[in-house]
Amino acid sequence: AQRVTQPEKLLSVFKGAPVELKCNYSYSGSPELFWYVQYSRQRLQLLLRHISRESIKGFTADLNKGETSFHLKKPFAQEEDSAMYYCALLSNTGKLIFGQGTTLQVKP
Amino acid sequence: EAGVVQSPRYKIIEKKQPVAFWCNPISGHNTLYWYLQNLGQGPELLIRYENEEAVDDSQLPKDRFSAERLKGVDSTLKIQPAELGDSAVYLCASSSPFSGQGETDTQYFGPGTRLTVL
Repeated sequence: AQRVTQPEKLLSVFKGAPVELKCNYSYSGSPELFWYVQYSRQRLQLLLRHISRESIKGFTADLNKGETSFHLKKPFAQEEDSAMYYCALLSNTGKLIFGQGTTLQVKP
Repeated sequence: EAGVVQSPRYKIIEKKQPVAFWCNPISGHNTLYWYLQNLGQGPELLIRYENEEAVDDSQLPKDRFSAERLKGVDSTLKIQPAELGDSAVYLCASSSPFSGQGETDTQYFGPGTRLTVL
């Protein structure tokens, strides 16, 4: 079965601390993975995708096929990073499968 | 660019009543998606259109849900009759082969319609 698991519903850190939002997936073959973010009162938007291998707003995510993970990381959290983060997998039928989401709370 | 437009933003109805949601995708985007997002969950695809054709409606509860995308632009999602369990956010998204980098289209989401069924 194709599935995305985000084990943490809430992650709370202090400003300046490192952040790691966990994402594990289940997929046969080469997965295509994404991180989406939803800031308060805003729409869901793409943060980054693994194929582009870029850093957006200081966030990076590395695909680890051995551990079937795609964790989102940032070395120094900012208060404006507080949001809901969703990991998503592109299924072999072309649809996005989302995890349950993790709320990141960055405290001052 | 206004992005994906959805209306209404909020809807409160009594159970057994019909309800309809409307979506206007980004101009030029030929792929349109309807997602259901329950509280505390990630979005789940209901139906995907390529132009006018529904290419994936396997998750759409066809006994009460229907959708259409006439002329391959705007789309309407309908529930008739609504049940208490239909209370959720209904998201519309659109993409085109040119909206992202690499091989995969980037999906752009609308603000959603929050439905409350009493």
